Formats: sequence, C-alpha cells, structure tokens
Amino acid sequence: EVQLLESGGNLVQPGGSLRLSCAASGFTFRTNAMSWVRQAPGKGLEWVSAITSSGADTYYADSVRGRYTISRDNSKNTLYLQMNSLGAEDTAVYYCAKRTAGVFDSWGQGTLVTVSP
Amino acid sequence: DIQMTQSPSTLSASVGDRVTITCRASQTVNNWLAWYQQKPGKAPNLLIYKASTLQSGVPSRFSGTGSGTEFTLTISSLQPDDFATYYCQQYNSFSTTFGQGTKVEIK
Repeated sequence: EVQLLESGGNLVQPGGSLRLSCAASGFTFRTNAMSWVRQAPGKGLEWVSAITSSGADTYYADSVRGRYTISRDNSKNTLYLQMNSLGAEDTAVYYCAKRTAGVFDSWGQGTLVTVSP
Repeated sequence: DIQMTQSPSTLSASVGDRVTITCRASQTVNNWLAWYQQKPGKAPNLLIYKASTLQSGVPSRFSGTGSGTEFTLTISSLQPDDFATYYCQQYNSFSTTFGQGTKVEIK
C-alpha cells in the first residue's frame, strides 16, 4: 500500500522559512516523479512544484518560483520542500503527491503551514 | 499557463440524480485531463485520467468525456458518498493546473 507522510508544517512568521518532508513507502520511490500541491483554507487546489524521478529536473508554479526548492533523497525515500520568504499567501495545507503519467494517483494526508505574525 | 474553468461552482442535487460537471481549458490539453474528488478534511482522490479512463477501484457510475478544451464529468446516479467537491486537472505539461472546483451539495 502506498503511503505518503508529510511533516514539518508549523506556524511561521512572515519572511521566515520552513522545510517540509514527505516520507514515502509502499512503492518504488526512485522511479516515480513527485509533486507538492497546496490548498489554502477554504480554497481550491494549487500545484506548487514537481521533481522528476532522478531529481535532475524540477518545476515550479510562478507563485513560488525563486522562493521554494523541491528536492528528494532516493536513498531515504523522502521528498522535501524548502520554503523561504514566506508570506500570508503561502498559508495552506501542503500535500505530497505521487505523480504517475502526469496525474496524482496517491496523496499524503497533508501538513498545515500557517504564516502569521 | 493553461487556465481551467469549471461550471457550475456549486451544484445542488438529490440521491439518484444524474449530475454533470463541465471543465473548460483556455487552450487545448488534448486528452490530458483528470478528475478528482475531495471530501472535507481529506486529500483528493483520483477518479478519472486521460479524460475518460476510470481509475482502479472507482465506481462505474462515474464517467468522463471530452477532448481538446471541453470536458465533462458525469455521475449517473448520485449516491450519498458522492457529496463532495470535484476538481479537474490538466496535465498537458509538467506545469499542471486545476479547476477551481465544483461542490456537489445535498438538495
């Protein structure tokens, strides 16, 4: 059974940084592209970032490019999201998602990031 | 970026109703269109991919049609478990986008 377990969400001040982690199990992590998707309170889904299976290529939404960095450690079956220069607009539940042929076929339970003074 | 627009934003229906949700893309996405269901406090769940292919384990009352820029999700006979929010997603490129969602409510 595929399991994705996010962690690292927290309350952070504007301008601060946070690193999210996603521990994967139940599938061959190193052969799958992965993504982060977020959902602001009461709002819809917003794709944030993606990384290829090897980690060689990364992609970002315009709203986070230059502030966020996605990475992975295939030896640890773990996906990361480094978030810098956080603002109120970054407040959201952040989901880690397994990407198969472009679609998100498995999701974690999400981790809440709150940016507030 | 490709913009995805869903209609309606909210839909009120009764158990047993046939329900249709529309998703329009600002430019062609070919058949690279998926549908997800999300219940409050839960992660989304993939229902349909490649416009019309049912994900394993999804009930056959769900179906998808369309190509290019216009797509529909149909629930043939709404069940109590189907009251949720539905999102379309285009994945024509690695930079993917979602529709704003359609909430299916109990009438």
